Amino acid sequence: AQSVTQPDIHITVSEGASLELRCNYSYGATPYLFWYVQSPGQGLQLLLKYFSGDTLVQGIKGFEAEFKRSQSSFNLRKPSVHWSDAAEYFCVATWAAGNKLTFGGGTRVLVKP
Amino acid sequence: DGGITQSPKYLFRKEGQNVTLSCEQNLNHDAMYWYRQDPGQGLRLIYYSQIVNDFQKGDIAEGYSVSREKKESFPLTVTSAQKNPTAFYLCASSVEENQPQHFGDGTRLSIL
Repeated sequence: AQSVTQPDIHITVSEGASLELRCNYSYGATPYLFWYVQSPGQGLQLLLKYFSGDTLVQGIKGFEAEFKRSQSSFNLRKPSVHWSDAAEYFCVATWAAGNKLTFGGGTRVLVKP
Repeated sequence: DGGITQSPKYLFRKEGQNVTLSCEQNLNHDAMYWYRQDPGQGLRLIYYSQIVNDFQKGDIAEGYSVSREKKESFPLTVTSAQKNPTAFYLCASSVEENQPQHFGDGTRLSIL
């Protein structure tokens, strides 16, 4: 069955430190991959997407993600976090026609001053 | 500015009552989606529609109904058959399949 796993439920990081959020997907075929961010009580905002080509993709707000086929991973990174990066982050994949998305469980990021 | 508007932001339902959540988009997107989000969980697909007058059940359609009479609008009705309706509901749209989905700001539904 198709699934997306985010192993870390919570991550706490100090402001200015680097951040890496892990994401793994199951199922053999390579999906289209996305990272979304959700602030409390808000909808989801697209950070970046991977369809094909260059495996290192740049997104908004200084985020980047690297696709590694051998590890079925699509980890999200930011070199230096800001207090405004505190939010929940979702890794999302789609394999199916009709754009049905499969969501990871989310990682909540807390930023310490 | 183009976007997706969900209303109301907060909604309360009495036992045995149907309620309808509004979702309107001016992005000219063909596809629209409804998701349910429970605390600490990812999103689960309720219904989706790829074109006007057509829609399909998602993973948790029981107790919900939708219509797609206009391209811009995709209202969701939470019926009395949905026994655990308290959740955060998110509407989304995309220009075509496998393109990123754009999300509204959600409606939080609670039971009185």
